[in-house]
Amino acid sequence: SAVISQKPSRDICQRGTSLTIQCQVDSQVTMMFWYRQQPGQSLTLIATANQGSEATYESGFVIDKFPISRPNLTFSTLTVSNMSPEDSSIYLCSVERVAAKNIQYFGAGTRLSVL
Amino acid sequence: AQKVTQAQTEISVVEKEDVTLDCVYETRDTTYYLFWYKQPPSGELVFLIRRNSFDEQNEISGRYSWNFQKSTSSFNFTITASQVVDSAVYFCALSGSFKAAGNKLTFGGGTRVLVKP
Repeated sequence: SAVISQKPSRDICQRGTSLTIQCQVDSQVTMMFWYRQQPGQSLTLIATANQGSEATYESGFVIDKFPISRPNLTFSTLTVSNMSPEDSSIYLCSVERVAAKNIQYFGAGTRLSVL
Repeated sequence: AQKVTQAQTEISVVEKEDVTLDCVYETRDTTYYLFWYKQPPSGELVFLIRRNSFDEQNEISGRYSWNFQKSTSSFNFTITASQVVDSAVYFCALSGSFKAAGNKLTFGGGTRVLVKP
C-alpha cells in the first residue's frame, strides 16, 4: 500500500475561519480523492482531485466551500472554507496507486472540530 | 444509483466467538468491485479485501473470510475466533466499472464490532 501522510491530524477552529488539509503520498498515484465522515456516520465522497485541472465535485459539495488543489501526482490539498460547527468531521484523503487500480488506500484523516 | 446496506449497526461478542457482518448492495453495473475496510479507533481506514463481480470464489485470509453471493447481492464478512484487536468499525463499499461510474466508492453505514475480553 502507499504511505499517505495527512496534515494536520486534528484541529480545533473558530467559526468563519478556513483550514487547509494536506495529503502527501510517497509514490505517484493515478487518482486522489477527498471524503468526509461526519460524527458516527459513514464516508461521503467530496470530490476527485484531478492533477493540473479543477476537481470533480459530488452532488452537494461546491468549490467555493471546499476548494481543492492537486499541483502534482503526489500532493493535494482540501480547504474547508468559512467553517461552521456543521463542518466538524473527519476528512480523509485516499489514493489509487498505478500498480493497484481500483483499490483506494486512505490516510489517517484529519479530525476537525469547529466551535 | 449504487447503494450499500449494512443492516447491523453494532455487534458485541466475547473474545473467541465468531462474528459475521452482513453487506447487501445494489448496482446496475455488470462489472463492479466490492470492498471491506476496517476503521479502528485511531480513525484510519484499513483496506481488507477487494472482490470483482466476476469472481464469486469465497476467500479466506487468516481469521478473516468473505462470502460473495451474486444471486443475493451480498458480500458478507466473517471474523473467526475474534480478538479484542478486532474491535473497530467495518465498512463495506462498492465501486462501479471504471468506464461507467469511475472509481467512486459508495460506502455502507458501517458496523461497529466490540469484542469483549
